[in-house]
Amino acid sequence: GAVVSQHPSRVICKSGTSVKIECRSLDFQATTMFWYRQFPKKSLMLMATSNEGSKATYEQGVEKDKFLINHASLTLSTLTVTSAHPEDSSFYICSARPTGGPWQYFGPGTRLTVL
Amino acid sequence: GESVGLHLPTLSVQEGDNSIINCAYSNSASDYFIWYKQESGKGPQFIIDIRSNMDKRQGQRVTVLLNKTVKHLSLQIAATQPGDSAVYFCAENDRVMDSSYKLIFGSGTRLLVRP
Repeated sequence: GAVVSQHPSRVICKSGTSVKIECRSLDFQATTMFWYRQFPKKSLMLMATSNEGSKATYEQGVEKDKFLINHASLTLSTLTVTSAHPEDSSFYICSARPTGGPWQYFGPGTRLTVL
Repeated sequence: GESVGLHLPTLSVQEGDNSIINCAYSNSASDYFIWYKQESGKGPQFIIDIRSNMDKRQGQRVTVLLNKTVKHLSLQIAATQPGDSAVYFCAENDRVMDSSYKLIFGSGTRLLVRP
């Protein structure tokens, strides 16, 4: 149990285009989901906390207009990278927290490459 | 500011030996700590957790030790196997102002198991 999926697993796009990444909790409901970014050989950096039915909370330094987050249901959150540039190339990982628990279950990640 | 860090960026051990990965944290108010394993190109995988009211917790081949006096966390892996080769992250669960929680990750230690 407690499986989190991400789609797509990898995406290559041209500079200036927008890319949407989906995060789904497959067998549990998640009131809260999290989006992380990870550069090569670096740790996970929290970008934002996504709460079902409300606005996301962004970490300091993360542009909310560039990284749009939507958490429309208890099993789905989406991250849209708008007007992507090469510096946005990274490994994006989501996690989902079951309602009532402190732990987070992580998705397999999405490798974004912006040309 | 808050930080979670590691003493050794890379640890190389002989197959069959025990491994010890260390982590220092700075937020004495953290009440929950987790160790994650991340293989290349994948999302973090939960290994073991410990609450702040405990000093030690054991799992299958893994033990986590918490020393709140010096704010130190360690992960011990018994009889290390080639499949244990990965990057290991410690994370602390920090409470934010609105009563929600977020994870702060350490910088990671790469474990290399020599055959």
